[in-house]
Amino acid sequence: NAGVTQTPKFQVLKTGQSMTLQCAQDMNHNSMYWYRQDPGMGLRLIYYSASEGTTDKGEVPNGYNVSRLNKREFSLRLESAAPSQTSVYFCASSDPGQGGSGANVLTFGAGSRLTVL
Amino acid sequence: LAKTTQPISMDSYEGQEVNITCSHNNIATNDYITWYQQFPSQGPRFIIQGYKTKVTNEVASLFIPADRKSSTLSLPRVSLSDTAVYYCLVGDVMNTGFQKLVFGTGTRLLVSP
Repeated sequence: NAGVTQTPKFQVLKTGQSMTLQCAQDMNHNSMYWYRQDPGMGLRLIYYSASEGTTDKGEVPNGYNVSRLNKREFSLRLESAAPSQTSVYFCASSDPGQGGSGANVLTFGAGSRLTVL
Repeated sequence: LAKTTQPISMDSYEGQEVNITCSHNNIATNDYITWYQQFPSQGPRFIIQGYKTKVTNEVASLFIPADRKSSTLSLPRVSLSDTAVYYCLVGDVMNTGFQKLVFGTGTRLLVSP
């Protein structure tokens, strides 16, 4: 039972290069999220997908694009990487909480550490 | 979205009970309160969730007063392995079942021998 799988785990880019972070979940969750976490900081929401076929901006969307490829997969693309995008990126998925009521409970991937030189 | 405020850091010793309080003064009627734990180099993981009064599971207890403007995560008899960052989130589930979840800066708990 893999949960949320992110690839790659580590990546080094040069300024201006592009790349895509991949995320897949096997829990049949409807909602998926991309967060970034800078050293010593909390998580900031980049983009989210409430359900298959929909995506929307979070707190810090500039410089990123996303694709909800299907229910399982949600990718994050950096078109022209900048040093300010050096961070750890976490993908998460969720469904409503206990018994279908309550708040969503997030399941996170292990993270992708990106360095932009 | 309701904004949360937590202490930046806390220190404790093994075997003690730790209480971390989160303030959420503008919590909405439909909002639930959820706590996550994050170890270094890992993604956060769910600890506990509640709406009102008290919730307990095998890991922690969550105390929510009647006005719901704050909540307290209680960790009984902490060990060194409880050293982590703890996040408090509030939010409701929309009609679609989706919840936009925004993290605060969290509370960094250090447990010493």
